[in-house]
Amino acid sequence: DVKVTQSSRYLVKRTGEKVFLECVQDMDHENMFWYRQDPGLGLRLIYFSYDVKMKEKGDIPEGYSVSREKKERFSLILESASTNQTSMYLCATLLLAGAYNEQFFGPGTRLTVL
Amino acid sequence: GENVEQHPSTLSVQEGDSAVIKCTYSDSASNYFPWYKQELGKRPQLIIDIRSNVGEKKDQRIAVTLNKTAKHFSLHITETQPEDSAVYFCAAINGGSQGNLIFGKGTKLSVKP
Repeated sequence: DVKVTQSSRYLVKRTGEKVFLECVQDMDHENMFWYRQDPGLGLRLIYFSYDVKMKEKGDIPEGYSVSREKKERFSLILESASTNQTSMYLCATLLLAGAYNEQFFGPGTRLTVL
Repeated sequence: GENVEQHPSTLSVQEGDSAVIKCTYSDSASNYFPWYKQELGKRPQLIIDIRSNVGEKKDQRIAVTLNKTAKHFSLHITETQPEDSAVYFCAAINGGSQGNLIFGKGTKLSVKP
């Protein structure tokens, strides 16, 4: 049962290219997040969104932007990819509803910038 | 904003022993504390969580405790098995339903048979 999908598992881009990473969920969760995961640094929050057209900066937003035009889709955009953006990118969703909570991660996109 | 510290970064135990991973958080408004297990090459999976109105929660061999006064929470795994070997992450969230989910840096747990 698919819950959170990401547009690509592996992606190779060149420096300066514009890169789109898409995340789609089918659970009607309000909160969606983009993280990057690097060895020794854990999961660092890039941006999150708690509603359509709403976005908030996380800890490392520089070099990234996001778009949430529809509730089920949260896109991460690298306007001009750089080699230090080579990483594993994980999308996540969250529903907080009192005693009942749901949270899922997408499968991840391993991006390499040459 | 919220800051989550996690210790230790690596933990090695013998099969059957207990493992404890500790996290501290900085924002007293944080009210939800999930724990994740990430096996090699896979996405993190939520394994247990606790809300700020509860002090302890248990699910079979895993338990989580929360001390709101000290702003720390811990994961306890009893009777560890080799398949428990993975990286474990703690996280904290505040802001009610519009949450900002912040993670610790992870603990690599190795269970030796």
